Parts: sequence; structure tokens; C-alpha cells
Amino acid sequence: EAGVAQSPRYKIIEKRQSVAFWCNPISGHATLYWYQQILGQGPKLLIQFQNNGVVDDSQLPKDRFSAERLKGVDSTLKIQPAKLEDSAVYLCASSFRPEGIGNTIYFGEGSWLTVV
Amino acid sequence: GENVEQHPSTLSVQEGDSAVIKCTYSDSASNYFPWYKQELGKRPQLIIDIRSNVGEKKDQRIAVTLNKTAKHFSLHITETQPEDSAVYFCAAKYIFGTGTRLKVLA
Repeated sequence: EAGVAQSPRYKIIEKRQSVAFWCNPISGHATLYWYQQILGQGPKLLIQFQNNGVVDDSQLPKDRFSAERLKGVDSTLKIQPAKLEDSAVYLCASSFRPEGIGNTIYFGEGSWLTVV
Repeated sequence: GENVEQHPSTLSVQEGDSAVIKCTYSDSASNYFPWYKQELGKRPQLIIDIRSNVGEKKDQRIAVTLNKTAKHFSLHITETQPEDSAVYFCAAKYIFGTGTRLKVLA
């Protein structure tokens, strides 16, 4: 079974530039998550989608971050403009459903962002 | 929303000893508690999980206990080995704790 796919794996940009990350979840998984993991910290949830609807985006800095999942499968996370403190690994994850049996979260390998 | 606290932040044990990591959560409606292991530069990997209708679950050297009344759950690793060295995260549903860096000393 194919896992969660993410691209690009690594990105270096200057502050105030923009960047976009792409994620393809495990086939059949309705729930998709974007996490930000700063070095030495736990994954922080940015946004959770159920199909193409947003379930939780309370921790998403909406002045600079945006995310979409238009057809309920692939998702993109955009940062514009980037700040130095956005340097982190952006982890995409998916689960079959958000609650109950089948809600095990599977992570992609992450997109490593360095803002200089 | 859910808030998860995890202790300790670092833990060093001698090889063969046991390690215990504890977490508390705030949302009494949470019903799923996974534990993840993350090695340096790798993605978090699920090692064990427990659901709210169960008080304890064991898988070889790893066990997890859950106290829903007190809203805390714990990870127990017995007979630790050097390859257990990693960062461990607890989670309540999809909200993660801050992590515990476990070092197993040979």
C-alpha cells in the first residue's frame, strides 16, 4: 500500500518569499492533516480536512498560511510571505476517518523548509 | 480544544531497565490515544495505541495504560534496548504532546 506522498522534500527560500507544499494521502483516506514540526518540538496541527471541508484550522496563521483540498484528495499548503520562524518540517498525514476505528494517523516523510 | 501535556521531556535509562512516559489530556471527549516514535530525521511512526474502552494494552515490550477518570495515559517500555533511543510522542486523537527524548545507555 502506498503511503502519504509529499513534495518537495526540501526547500530553501528567503524571507518574504512564498512556498507551496503538496500532499497526496493514502488512497481512501478521507481525513487529511497538515502539521508543523519545529526542531525539538512536537507536531503542531495546522489544519484538518474531512474530504474537502475544513474541520479544524484554529492553529493556522491565516494571515500568511493557506491550505486547500479542492477535490477531497490531494492538498496544498502555502506560505506567503514566509518568515524566519516558519523554518520547520511540514508533515502531511492522513487517516481513514477522524473518529473511532480507522482513525490511525499515517505520516508522510515531510517537507523540510528553511527560511533564510 | 484539546491540550496534551507530556513528561518528562528527557529520560535516560540503562539498557535493560524500564522507561515510563506520562501524558495528560484536557478534552474528556477524546477517545483515541496513540503513541509515536520518531527517530532523527524521520517521520513519526505509530508504535501502539489505545482506545477509551480499554484500560491497558500490551505489545511485546511496550504497554500503554489509560485512566479516563484522571485523563492521563502512560507508555511503558520494559527491557529497554539501545535501538529504543528516540523521541516519543503521545497524542489525544490528533493533538500531540511535546515529546520525550529517550536515551538508552549501553
